Amino acid sequence: EVQLVESGGGLVKPGGSLRLSCAASGFAFSKAWMSWVRQAQGKGLEWVGRIKIKSDGVTTDYAAPVKGRFTISRDDSKNTLYLQMNSLKTEDTAVYYCMIECSSTICLPGWGQGTPVTVSA
Amino acid sequence: DVVMTQSPLSLPVTLGQPASISCKSSQSLVHSDGNTYLHWLQQRPGQSPRRLIYKVSNRDSGVPDRFSGSGSGTNFTLKISRVEAEDVGIYYCMQSTHSPRAFGPGTKVDIK
Repeated sequence: EVQLVESGGGLVKPGGSLRLSCAASGFAFSKAWMSWVRQAQGKGLEWVGRIKIKSDGVTTDYAAPVKGRFTISRDDSKNTLYLQMNSLKTEDTAVYYCMIECSSTICLPGWGQGTPVTVSA
Repeated sequence: DVVMTQSPLSLPVTLGQPASISCKSSQSLVHSDGNTYLHWLQQRPGQSPRRLIYKVSNRDSGVPDRFSGSGSGTNFTLKISRVEAEDVGIYYCMQSTHSPRAFGPGTKVDIK
């Protein structure tokens, strides 16, 4: 069974940093492109960024609002995805989800339960 | 960037009746590998999103067969053949053909 478990959320002041983790199990994590998605309270889903697999160069891509501030990485030996968030702004307040991307090789359904991040003074 | 639109944004339905949601993209979602990476997600109240349909028309495991997806290019549709109470929630289309990925604004389905 595919499982994704996010952690690391919390309350942080504007300008601060936070690192989120997503522990994956039940599938070949090293073969899956992964994304982070966020959802502000009462709002829709917003894509944050994506990381490819090793054979695709572990390439990352980001949404404009977070580019230059957020960094996605992965540790395939630990089956874990990360989101390093720096220079946080109040508008980054949201629930952050990790999800499995659908690629030409793997297209599994998988979303975590989310971890809330609140950026407030 | 690709922009996704959905209609309607609100869909009151009668139990047992069909429902249909439209999703349009500002560019073709046909990838160079030949796949069309258009997916449908369901988010029930208070829950995480759950994928229902992947690559236009493929139902995920455990998804009732009353859900179906169709379409091509820039126009896509999610249909529920007979709405049940557990189908209440917000439905999103999402494209992962192009970067940045994009979600539709969501369609809120509730019972009349």
